[in-house]
Amino acid sequence: DIQMTQSPSTLSASVGDRVTITCRASQSISSWLAWYQQKPGKAPKLLIYEASRLESGVASRFSGRGSGTEFTLTISSLQPDDFATYYCQQYDSYRTFGPGTTVEVK
Amino acid sequence: QVQLQESGSGLVKPSQTLSLTCTVSGGSISSGSYSWSWIRQSPGKGLEWIGYIWHSGTTYYNPSLKSRVTLSVDKSKNQFSLEVQSVTAADTAVYYCAREPNGNNRDVFDIWGQGRMVTVSP
Repeated sequence: DIQMTQSPSTLSASVGDRVTITCRASQSISSWLAWYQQKPGKAPKLLIYEASRLESGVASRFSGRGSGTEFTLTISSLQPDDFATYYCQQYDSYRTFGPGTTVEVK
Repeated sequence: QVQLQESGSGLVKPSQTLSLTCTVSGGSISSGSYSWSWIRQSPGKGLEWIGYIWHSGTTYYNPSLKSRVTLSVDKSKNQFSLEVQSVTAADTAVYYCAREPNGNNRDVFDIWGQGRMVTVSP
């Protein structure tokens, strides 16, 4: 089984901050990684796939990088709507999600 | 646009079978371009993929749940369904259905249902 970890688990930030979340896979997953945003009581929303491809309709302040076992999600300038929990997910072998990173108001 | 909606019992007794259905609207479940997944989310285990099914009926299951899970599809009703047998409190979660496009390196969950809370309790 491929395990996913994320750091930090919680991130305190202010509007306008540049924010980076890290996701690591227990073995190489090439670029088969997606990022989702979830708000309380809502389903996750796809942001990025294939590690760095922005989903249609998603704001360009979101970007993804990485390959192999280490990946990052960056929000270039945090907006009020971006306070949420972010999950990575591998799709190299079956499907596995990371534990999530909550971006909260500082 | 395509929308997914979960339905089914929100309360299940321990040792019984959990049953949920996902209705697809705005598109056909028979399209060969997609697979149809179930995912659950519990406070203790986060997001957990359960399995997916194609319109042909071919299934892939999370190995950790495979022995208790059955997915099925009803093309005439544009629905797919989940059964989890012998449930325990650990199966208490919000259950989501989701669509996964196949190909173009975009095998991710691009459309989700709103989620159905299922509680396992006597």
